[in-house]
Amino acid sequence: AQTVTQSQPEMSVQEAETVTLSCTYDTSESDYYLFWYKQPPSRQMILVIRQEAYKQQNATENRFSVNFQKAAKSFSLKISDSQLGDAAMYFCAYNNNDMRFGAGTRLTVKP
Amino acid sequence: DGGITQSPKYLFRKEGQNVTLSCEQNLNHDAMYWYRQDPGQGLRLIYYSQIVNDFQKGDIAEGYSVSREKKESFPLTVTSAQKNPTAFYLCASSQLLGRGYTFGSGTRLTVV
Repeated sequence: AQTVTQSQPEMSVQEAETVTLSCTYDTSESDYYLFWYKQPPSRQMILVIRQEAYKQQNATENRFSVNFQKAAKSFSLKISDSQLGDAAMYFCAYNNNDMRFGAGTRLTVKP
Repeated sequence: DGGITQSPKYLFRKEGQNVTLSCEQNLNHDAMYWYRQDPGQGLRLIYYSQIVNDFQKGDIAEGYSVSREKKESFPLTVTSAQKNPTAFYLCASSQLLGRGYTFGSGTRLTVV
């Protein structure tokens, strides 16, 4: 079974600074999708960014970008110009047939 | 607006009782999923269904049951066989592989 590992249970960033959240995964498949989801205190899951494994170009959505290293099975999320509203749990997810999630990283943004 | 509705938001269960969590979607998605979320463990897959009248077990299906009689509905029953049911339950749906899931707002189940 595919596994997703987020090695940072908690991270902290100063407002307006940049932070990178790490994620690694294990799979024998060559075609799959990777996602980052945000879960604020409301507990609503919000899609942040997605990456198709067959695309070498890293996905970008406004202040959010990823560093996708397929050979290393690594998929980190970079948040630039951090804002107070970015404070949340962030989950990395692997999607082939179904979706598997990491344990999450709690991001705190300091004013 | 299209979306997923989970009800109730909070649910209390006495030990030995079965309870059913509702999940309804009006997105016309074929696939639906149930996840359990515990502190420090992320989301774990309970059951999923890719088509009406068919469903598959996820990683932690023991003590749970589901049905998929209609495309828009995927209720989850937490049976008395589930020894530690207190958790946050999330329902999700998807249409195409790789497009991501749409999630409901969740149900918090507490055993009293």
